[in-house]
Amino acid sequence: EAGVVQSPRYKIIEKKQPVAFWCNPISGHNTLYWYLQNLGQGPELLIRYENEEAVDDSQLPKDRFSAERLKGVDSTLKIQPAELGDSAVYLCASSLEAGSGGTDTQYFGPGTRLTVL
Amino acid sequence: KQEVTQIPAALSVPEGENLVLNCSFTDSAIYNLQWFRQDPGKGLTSLLLIQSSQREQTSGRLNASLDKSSGRSTLYIAASQPGDSATYLCAVNTGGFKTIFGAGTRLFVKA
Repeated sequence: EAGVVQSPRYKIIEKKQPVAFWCNPISGHNTLYWYLQNLGQGPELLIRYENEEAVDDSQLPKDRFSAERLKGVDSTLKIQPAELGDSAVYLCASSLEAGSGGTDTQYFGPGTRLTVL
Repeated sequence: KQEVTQIPAALSVPEGENLVLNCSFTDSAIYNLQWFRQDPGKGLTSLLLIQSSQREQTSGRLNASLDKSSGRSTLYIAASQPGDSATYLCAVNTGGFKTIFGAGTRLFVKA
């Protein structure tokens, strides 16, 4: 079984440029998460999807960040324009969540390391 | 608000040593606790998951314990090896799709 796939693995851009990250979750997983991980810190949730619906985006900086999960499968996270402080690792995770009330194990992708110059 | 703290932040040990990583959380109302391993430039790999009703879980040389009432968990690594060098993250699931991570313990095992 394939795991969570993310691309690109690394991205270097100049500030004010746009950037997009892509995630393909484990097949059959209904819930998809985007996390931000700063150096030396644990991941922090940006947004959670239940199928194609964003059900928790309270931590997403909506002035510059956007996300979508068309058809309820793969997802894209976008930053426009990027700032120096956005340099971090962006992790995608998925879980099955078949009526478990949000307690299923999350499976993580390898992440995208973003460097903003 | 749930907070997760991991001590120590970094640890360096000689190969073969047994070691303990600590995780504490402020709210005992959790569904489960999970230990992850993260290698440099990579994502998180789940090591052990302890449900709130359990006291411990074991996998190979790893043993994780949970004392929910005191808000503590430990990850015990027996006979450490250089390949164990990584960052170990503790995460508590508070239900409702909320998972709170600690900052991790960076482990270096010297050959």
